[in-house]
Amino acid sequence: EEQLVQSGGEVRKPGESLKISCKASGYHVANYWIAWVRQMPGKGLEWMGIIYLGDSDTTYSPSFQGQVVMSADKSINTAYLEWSSLKASDTAIYYCARHRRYSSLTGDVWGKGTTVIVSS
Amino acid sequence: EIVLTQSPGTLSLAPGERATLSCRASQSVSSSYLAWYQQKPGQAPRLLIYGASSRATGIPDRFSGSASGTDFTLTISRLEPEDFAVYYCQHYGNSRWTFGQGTKVEFK
Repeated sequence: EEQLVQSGGEVRKPGESLKISCKASGYHVANYWIAWVRQMPGKGLEWMGIIYLGDSDTTYSPSFQGQVVMSADKSINTAYLEWSSLKASDTAIYYCARHRRYSSLTGDVWGKGTTVIVSS
Repeated sequence: EIVLTQSPGTLSLAPGERATLSCRASQSVSSSYLAWYQQKPGQAPRLLIYGASSRATGIPDRFSGSASGTDFTLTISRLEPEDFAVYYCQHYGNSRWTFGQGTKVEFK
């Protein structure tokens, strides 16, 4: 089964760091990018950025550039999203989704989401 | 930067009715990279349409997409009870994604 498995929900205090993960399985990861999408409580979808597991080539949304770091470990088919100093406004569900390279096929597989709660 | 504007914000309809959702791009975009998603509460988004008009795997044929210039439309021919949800359009280009703000289809 082609799937993206995300790490579990997290609760952190403001100022703490956090790294969440998205592991791809069941498909040839070299053919796909991984995108990260934020959904704040009761709000819409916001694209954060996209990363290629093969060489960690990354493009960030201007809204998230400098706020998070995306990385990848191709040996275990896993993408990461990391914060060095969380804010209460980072409270949200974070999804990863795949996008096929050189194709119009986008977002056909999504992770179930990682809920991040930042509260003092 | 491309902005996608969806209308209406909320659509109140009854099962069996036709739903027409609109997504307008702020500039010319390739229809090859326009997608539609459905999201239900507590669930991840689900791809319905990609390339403006191609149905994703397993999507019923009551869902259809079309394009005309910078205007894109998702049509649900006859609403089933499970179709009441929020719908988002999305554009992909130059390694960037953009989402519309969403249209909620609710029970009338």
